[in-house]
Amino acid sequence: QVQLKETGPDLVQLTQTLSITCTVSGFSLTTYNVHWVRQPPGKGLEWMGAMWNGGGTDYNSAFKSRLSISRDTSKSQVFLKMNSLQTEDTAKYFCARQGYYGGLDYWGQGVMVTVSS
Amino acid sequence: DIQMTQSPSFLSASVGDRVTINCKASQNINKYLNWYQQKLGEAPKLLIYNTNNLQTGIPSRFSGSGSGTDYTLTISSLQPEDVATYFCLQHSSRLTFGSGTKLEIK
Repeated sequence: QVQLKETGPDLVQLTQTLSITCTVSGFSLTTYNVHWVRQPPGKGLEWMGAMWNGGGTDYNSAFKSRLSISRDTSKSQVFLKMNSLQTEDTAKYFCARQGYYGGLDYWGQGVMVTVSS
Repeated sequence: DIQMTQSPSFLSASVGDRVTINCKASQNINKYLNWYQQKLGEAPKLLIYNTNNLQTGIPSRFSGSGSGTDYTLTISSLQPEDVATYFCLQHSSRLTFGSGTKLEIK
């Protein structure tokens, strides 16, 4: 069955870099797109960016040049890397698969990341 | 970028009530609108895709409608297990989420 699982740190220091891995199973990264979405505590969801099945990427301009998404298809993993973290980056970070009909059909459970000074 | 305005932000209704939640896009999104349910501490669950298509395994009391810029999620008969936050997602141009509707039982 389709599964996505995020792994990453619980705590990151202010101005440091966040790295999260999304490991997928039940589908191929060369067939489906994978997106990153975050949710600050008690707030709504924000699209961060995407890894296209062809290997390209797209980013929300709100993250400017802070965000990088990459993948290792041999390991079925998609990576999020974001630098210069601030307290407002404290959030739950999700990876999700883009379904055949569009939008996001399967989500990981998310990883809660706190940015601390 | 497309903006999504979701209403209401909070909704309290009784078991058996008909409930509607709305999303308005800042421009025509050509029915590329999904609805999700998120329970506390869980990942979002897809309910409806492309305006009115029920995802496999979702109860038929959930339905969606709309076109152009205006879209609606309807729960025909509210059940206790429907307590959750609901949000819309447009995927016409990149992705934009609605701000969410927290639904509780009165």
